Amino acid sequence: SAVISQKPSRDICQRGTSLTIQCQVDSQVTMMFWYRQQPGQSLTLIATANQGSEATYESGFVIDKFPISRPNLTFSTLTVSNMSPEDSSIYLCSYRGGRAYEQYFGPGTRLTVT
Amino acid sequence: GIQVEQSPPDLILQEGANSTLRCNFSDSVNNLQWFHQNPWGQLINLFYIPSGTKQNGRLSATTVATERYSLLYISSSQTTDSGVYFCAAWNSGGSNYKLTFGKGTLLTVNP
Repeated sequence: SAVISQKPSRDICQRGTSLTIQCQVDSQVTMMFWYRQQPGQSLTLIATANQGSEATYESGFVIDKFPISRPNLTFSTLTVSNMSPEDSSIYLCSYRGGRAYEQYFGPGTRLTVT
Repeated sequence: GIQVEQSPPDLILQEGANSTLRCNFSDSVNNLQWFHQNPWGQLINLFYIPSGTKQNGRLSATTVATERYSLLYISSSQTTDSGVYFCAAWNSGGSNYKLTFGKGTLLTVNP
């Protein structure tokens, strides 16, 4: 499997600001995903980011709040905009690849909004 | 979309004990995976198992696709096995490619 990394690993941000999270994969992948994990909860898909097309957002998530870029087949960013304490979560980048369509996850970005 | 349910929600074991975690899913699946989330939040792939049985050391998993459930077996548990175990699945039907997660099983292994 490809190595997937995220930056930053954690951050503490003030209400009303924005944070951009970077996700890097060390080989080209077609499908990349962004997930949110609120404290004590399971993972929820925010959006699917495919290179060369607009991100596809899940119900309850909108582009103005969570803009996503996918400039090439190895990189994606997620921005959490106009943050509130309710945005405090772990944000995870993921890709699907290989013949078996197995999905892999980055180490996550632990965000705290004060 | 596909629904994924896990049981039990919490499990406390003494070191050395065995355990079985269950995952039920509502539709046929193209992919079913088991993950372990460690205390630092890292999600570790355990098994990709849409059907059949696999083993990896003290862990094994079985998916009975026709009956829509999967089991994760942990034998001779160790304190390092503690964490949350997630089952996740997707199919190419109504939910397209979305990997849907269960709520997880929180496993605590005491020394």
